[in-house]
Amino acid sequence: QITLKESGPTLVKPTQTLTLTCTFSGFSLTTSGVAVGWIRQPPGKALEWLGIIYWDDDKRYSPSLKSRLTITKDTSKNQVVLKMTNMEPVDTATYMCGHTPLSSPEPYFDSWGQGTLVTVSS
Amino acid sequence: SYVLTQPPSVSVAPGQTARITCGGNDIEIKSVHWYQQRPGQAPVLVVYDGRDRPSGIPERFSGSTSENTATLAISRVEAGDEADYYCQVWETTSHRSGDRHVVFGGGTKLTVL
Repeated sequence: QITLKESGPTLVKPTQTLTLTCTFSGFSLTTSGVAVGWIRQPPGKALEWLGIIYWDDDKRYSPSLKSRLTITKDTSKNQVVLKMTNMEPVDTATYMCGHTPLSSPEPYFDSWGQGTLVTVSS
Repeated sequence: SYVLTQPPSVSVAPGQTARITCGGNDIEIKSVHWYQQRPGQAPVLVVYDGRDRPSGIPERFSGSTSENTATLAISRVEAGDEADYYCQVWETTSHRSGDRHVVFGGGTKLTVL
């Protein structure tokens, strides 16, 4: 059974850097083809994809947020870390991580964490 | 940038078939994935690669694509199907670099009357 759980601060100040950790079980990010992605959802709004990291450390980012995002992995801890710089109130959202299975040449997310609500406010 | 267009809302009576559309340029050549999100919960994958269902998803959920439109059909709609539904594709950012990214549609709220 695959599980993912996001952790990190619930409140950050404007201009600060957000660091979130996705801790997962039930799969290994050393398995060929597997990936973990980050998705966010502002309150009452649609899903927005942030980025994805593959087993081979290949990374892809949202074109509109690329300059602010960094995704890394620690396979020994079964964790993926998202960093987003220069946070603003419009970045207030629930941040979720998701598992991409090895069978998907065009990625989708077959398991999701419950998400963590991050509020940006001074 | 690539845009996926969904109707904001769809309403259907119990027992009827709901059809939720997702419009996008040349979407018929892409793999379209669909998610269900009930209030306060994480999204759940209901259809992937256009028409395949993950294990545990009822056969009532089906996907199809035609020119510039993908459709999620939910037959014999139940009260428990009331949720937001999102389509998703993998799109090329730059043909020169080969960079690609994920795109979500704006979501459709399904109301069961």
